[in-house]
Amino acid sequence: LAKTTQPISMDSYEGQEVNITCSHNNIATNDYITWYQQFPSQGPRFIIQGYKTKVTNEVASLFIPADRKSSTLSLPRVSLSDTAVYYCLVGDSSGYSTLTFGKGTMLLVSP
Amino acid sequence: DVKVTQSSRYLVKRTGEKVFLECVQDMDHENMFWYRQDPGLGLRLIYFSYDVKMKEKGDIPEGYSVSREKKERFSLILESASTNQTSMYLCASSSVGQGSNQPQHFGDGTRLSIL
Repeated sequence: LAKTTQPISMDSYEGQEVNITCSHNNIATNDYITWYQQFPSQGPRFIIQGYKTKVTNEVASLFIPADRKSSTLSLPRVSLSDTAVYYCLVGDSSGYSTLTFGKGTMLLVSP
Repeated sequence: DVKVTQSSRYLVKRTGEKVFLECVQDMDHENMFWYRQDPGLGLRLIYFSYDVKMKEKGDIPEGYSVSREKKERFSLILESASTNQTSMYLCASSSVGQGSNQPQHFGDGTRLSIL
C-alpha cells in the first residue's frame, strides 16, 4: 500500500505561489500520482496527474523528482477561491481496494 | 461535461432502517466507487465496482452492501442503519485502467444522518 503524507494545513495570501508537498516513500513502479481539490459540500475534483518529472496544465504544475518518493503540487498566484482541501493520491498496482485519499492539506488563502 | 449525480444531497433516516443511496454517471465509465468522508479521517473507500454485477470490498465494507445492475448506476445499501453510519457519502466513477491511474469523477455527496 502506497501511503501518502501531506501537511495538515497551509496558509497563504492572494497572489502568492503555493507549493504543497506529498511524501510517498513506497510508491510502486506502475503508480501514478494524482492530486484532487475539494471545496466544502462538494466532491473532490481532479486537478493534475503525473508519473515523473514535470506536468503542467491550466490550473497547476506537478513536480516529481527522479526517485518519485515525493511530489509537489504548485499553484501559481493563488486567489481566495483556491481555499480548499488538496489530496495527494498514489495508485497501487495491487488493485483498486488499496486506493487511499488520506486526510489532505487544508489550504487557506487570505486577502 | 462529465456528470456524476447522487440522488439526494441530504437524507435523514432512523436507526434500523434500510437505506438506499443512488448514484448515476453519464460517462459510460466502467468503474464506480462509494466513499464515506468523516472529519479528521479523509475519504475512505467502502466498495467499488469495475463492471456490471461485479463488486469488490474497499477498506470499510462492514454494514454496507452495493448493487450494480446497470453500467451507469451504482447503489449503496445500508442494511440496518446505525448512528455510526452518519456521514457524507461520495460516489465516483472512472474509465477503465489500473487502480487510481484513471482520474475519478465525483458527485457532490449525500449527507446522511441516522437518528
